Amino acid sequence: NAGVTQTPKFQVLKTGQSMTLQCAQDMNHEYMSWYRQDPGMGLRLIHYSVGAGITDQGEVPNGYNVSRSTTEDFPLRLLSAAPSQTSVYFCASSYSVSLTSYNEQFFGPGTRLTVL
Amino acid sequence: AQTVTQSQPEMSVQEAETVTLSCTYDTSESNYYLFWYKQPPSRQMILVIRQEAYKQQNATENRFSVNFQKAAKSFSLKISDSQLGDTAMYFCAFSSTNAGKSTFGDGTTLTVKP
Repeated sequence: NAGVTQTPKFQVLKTGQSMTLQCAQDMNHEYMSWYRQDPGMGLRLIHYSVGAGITDQGEVPNGYNVSRSTTEDFPLRLLSAAPSQTSVYFCASSYSVSLTSYNEQFFGPGTRLTVL
Repeated sequence: AQTVTQSQPEMSVQEAETVTLSCTYDTSESNYYLFWYKQPPSRQMILVIRQEAYKQQNATENRFSVNFQKAAKSFSLKISDSQLGDTAMYFCAFSSTNAGKSTFGDGTTLTVKP
């Protein structure tokens, strides 16, 4: 299993440009999430999905768009990049959870994005 | 909304000694999960240990153990026999029954000195 993969690893954009960060998992996980990590801070949730066709906003959704057409893929779109979106982006996935199940999140390697 | 607080931005420990990282959280839920993740310079997030809130027994994983105090909403990580490879940033995280909605603290940078 490749686990959670993210592309690209690094990206530089100019203000106003758009792009898509790719995320894929091969573990048949229902849940997938996108986080951003700013310097010296923890991860903050951008968007998440509990299954194909279902997405919802997290703590910091503005400026980002997601869709989930398949179980495996969960791309994150930056609509019009701004310097405030300079960050490291992590994708994560996990099984759905019941009260007696363990729900570890598996993380991708991250994408370092710089917006000039 | 849940919050997670790590009050120690940086800590250091001598190799082979024991160190404890602190974490407190706030929630109104009765069933939830708590995690400690390690993030080395490679940026990869690595699960260190987890605790289910409905379990009273503290979790242990080799040299890593937690002190879970549910009433106090405290979840500290103890690292015994510290090794140079333990040098990393450590994040405490809270997850409700929906695994896609984890809340993270701001992290503690741990340095193990030879």
